[in-house]
Amino acid sequence: NAGVTQTPKFQVLKTGQSMTLQCAQDMNHEYMSWYRQDPGMGLRLIHYSVGAGITDQGEVPNGYNVSRSTTEDFPLRLLSAAPSQTSVYFCASSFGQGDPYEQYFGPGTRLTVT
Amino acid sequence: AQSVTQPDIHITVSEGASLELRCNYSYGATPYLFWYVQSPGQGLQLLLKYFSGDTLVQGIKGFEAEFKRSQSSFNLRKPSVHWSDAAEYFCAVEGTSYDKVIFGPGTSLSVIP
Repeated sequence: NAGVTQTPKFQVLKTGQSMTLQCAQDMNHEYMSWYRQDPGMGLRLIHYSVGAGITDQGEVPNGYNVSRSTTEDFPLRLLSAAPSQTSVYFCASSFGQGDPYEQYFGPGTRLTVT
Repeated sequence: AQSVTQPDIHITVSEGASLELRCNYSYGATPYLFWYVQSPGQGLQLLLKYFSGDTLVQGIKGFEAEFKRSQSSFNLRKPSVHWSDAAEYFCAVEGTSYDKVIFGPGTSLSVIP
C-alpha cells in the first residue's frame, strides 16, 4: 500500500494563477479531506468528502474547490492564488466506519504564492 | 464551541528524561481525542486515541495518554524520551461529525543528546 500520496511536494505560484493539488489513496477509504497547516494554528479543514460524488466545506473553504469523482482521488483546486494561500497542504483519508475518524495523512504539499 | 489548547509551544528535554505534553479541550460532551506526531517534512501519524472506556490509553512508540474528564485534559506522556522523538505533536478533538475535527496549535519537542 502506498497509503495517501500527494503531488507535487513543492509549488511556487504567482498571484492569480490557478493550480490543482493532487491527492490519491489506495486504502479504499470513504472519507477524504484537505487541511492547511500554518504556523501556530494547527491544521484547519478546507473541504472534505464522505464518499464519491459528495463533498462539503470545512472551516476555511474560500478560494478552493474540490470534487470527488472516484473513491481514490480527491484533488484540491486553487482558483486564483493569493499570498494568503501560502501554506502547507495535507490530504487525509479514513475508513468512515468502525473508527471513522482515525485519519491517515499524506506527506504534504508546500505552496508558496508570490 | 469546540476548541483545543496546547499551552506549550515548544519544549526541550534531555534524552532519557520523562515527557508530558499538555492538551486541554472544550466540548459539551465526551469527545473523541487523538494525539498525532509530525516529523520534519512529513505528514501526521496517529500516536493514540481515546473513544471510551479505560482513561489511560497506550499508543505507539511507547507513548501513553490519560483522559481526565474533570480537567478536560488529555495529556501525552512518555517515561524516557529518545532523540528520534523530536517532532511536532498535535492534540485533536473530534465531535459528532467528520467536519468537527479540531486540531490544537501543536507543541514542538526538541531532544538534547
